[in-house]
Amino acid sequence: ELKVEQNPLFLSMQEGKNYTIYCNYSTTSDRLYWYRQDPGKSLESLFVLLSNGAVKQEGRLMASLDTKARLSTLHITAAVHDLSATYFCAVGSGGSNYKLTFGKGTLLTVNP
Amino acid sequence: NAGVTQTPKFQVLKTGQSMTLQCAQDMNHNSMYWYRQDPGMGLRLIYYSASEGTTDKGEVPNGYNVSRLNKREFSLRLESAAPSQTSVYFCASSPLLGTEAFFGQGTRLTVV
Repeated sequence: ELKVEQNPLFLSMQEGKNYTIYCNYSTTSDRLYWYRQDPGKSLESLFVLLSNGAVKQEGRLMASLDTKARLSTLHITAAVHDLSATYFCAVGSGGSNYKLTFGKGTLLTVNP
Repeated sequence: NAGVTQTPKFQVLKTGQSMTLQCAQDMNHNSMYWYRQDPGMGLRLIYYSASEGTTDKGEVPNGYNVSRLNKREFSLRLESAAPSQTSVYFCASSPLLGTEAFFGQGTRLTVV
C-alpha cells in the first residue's frame, strides 16, 4: 500500500525567507502532483511532475522530483503572505488500479 | 468555464437520513473521483470511476455508494448517514485514471 508522508505538517515563516516542504512516498511511482488549498476552498493544481529529475517553477514556488529517492520537494523562495495556504502532494500508483494518494498536507503561514 | 460542479455546497443531515451528492464535469474527462477531507487526514479516496460504466472502491468506501450516470455525472449516496460521515466531500475528474485531477468546490456535510 502506498504511503505518502509530508513534512513539516505545519510551517510558520517570515516574509522574505526561504523554505522547503518535503514529500516522501513508499513505492515506485511515475507521477507526482502538488496542489494548493486556501481555507474553505477547493484544491488548485500547481505542478505536475512526470519523470525523474523533473523541475517545475511558477513564481516563488519550485517543485522537483527524485524518483530514485522517492522524494519530491516544494521550495519557497522569498515567501510572501499570499503564499499562505495548505499544500498537498499526491502520488500516482497502482498499475491497472491506478489512483492518487494524497499526503496529509502542509499548512503554511507566512507572517509579515 | 464551469469545470467540476458539486451540489449542494452545504448540508445538515440527521443520523439515519439518506442523501445524494451530485457532481458533474464539463471537461470531457473519462475518470471521476469522490474524496473526503477531514482535519489532519488529508484527502481519502472513497470511490472512483475510471471510465463511464465502471466504478471501484477506494480507501474508505464503507457507508457510501456511487453511480456513474453518464460520462459527465458521478453521484455519491449516503444511505444511512452517521456522525462519522461529517466531512468535506470533494468530487474530482481527470482525463485518464490517475492523471492530473481537477476538483469541485466541495460539499460541507454535517451529520447530527
